[in-house]
Amino acid sequence: QSVLTQPPSASGTPGQMVSISCSGSGSNIGSNTVNWYQQRPGTAPKLLMYSNNQRPSGVPGRFSGFKSGSSAFLDIHGLRSEDEAVYSCGVWDDSLSGVIFGGGTTLTVL
Amino acid sequence: QVQLQESGPGQVKPSQTLSLTCTVSGDSIGSGTYFWSWIRQPPGKGLEWIGYIYDGGDTYYNSSLKSRISISVGRSKKQFSLKLSSMTAADTAMYYCARVSGDNTFDYWGQGTLVIVSS
Repeated sequence: QSVLTQPPSASGTPGQMVSISCSGSGSNIGSNTVNWYQQRPGTAPKLLMYSNNQRPSGVPGRFSGFKSGSSAFLDIHGLRSEDEAVYSCGVWDDSLSGVIFGGGTTLTVL
Repeated sequence: QVQLQESGPGQVKPSQTLSLTCTVSGDSIGSGTYFWSWIRQPPGKGLEWIGYIYDGGDTYYNSSLKSRISISVGRSKKQFSLKLSSMTAADTAMYYCARVSGDNTFDYWGQGTLVIVSS
């Protein structure tokens, strides 16, 4: 059971917007910045979003992130088939003195 | 372009010690700019941070694994290694190495190496 809670699955049709949540507590999301990773089947995770809402070079503007209190959200606009992947949030936890990850959300594009 | 590549045995026996190496190209651990990390992912499960090291030797370990792990930097400053002792079936996982930038951001990842614990 992860300290960070993500829905196990999400889905949408091409062109739609989906939002993936990551729920934590004051010792992690509430006091530190959140990063998001995209992992396509059979590949290594890839940094998708850092510092809550910053996109690395090469990540499309369709992806956006924000944090509110002890929860973080990843929004994907204009859903495309290549967005099918597992999305995981990661953050430092002050109580555990370590990095923790959410369990991951599998996104399906119908 | 920064690249990382894991290497090590694909299988170890229970109670043995796992040794993995991550070779870094396009950057140097000795630059002292980043931390360098190990992360694992059991089959069908989420990511688990193992620990990371800074060139100066500072290490930070997952408290649940701390008694069994050791991360070190090679002399060439182009490799860093993981040792995980007393392996059990629960340690079967894909093991990734990654560079750490900014606020615990894993910005570059290796392709991963699958380690199976089996007699």
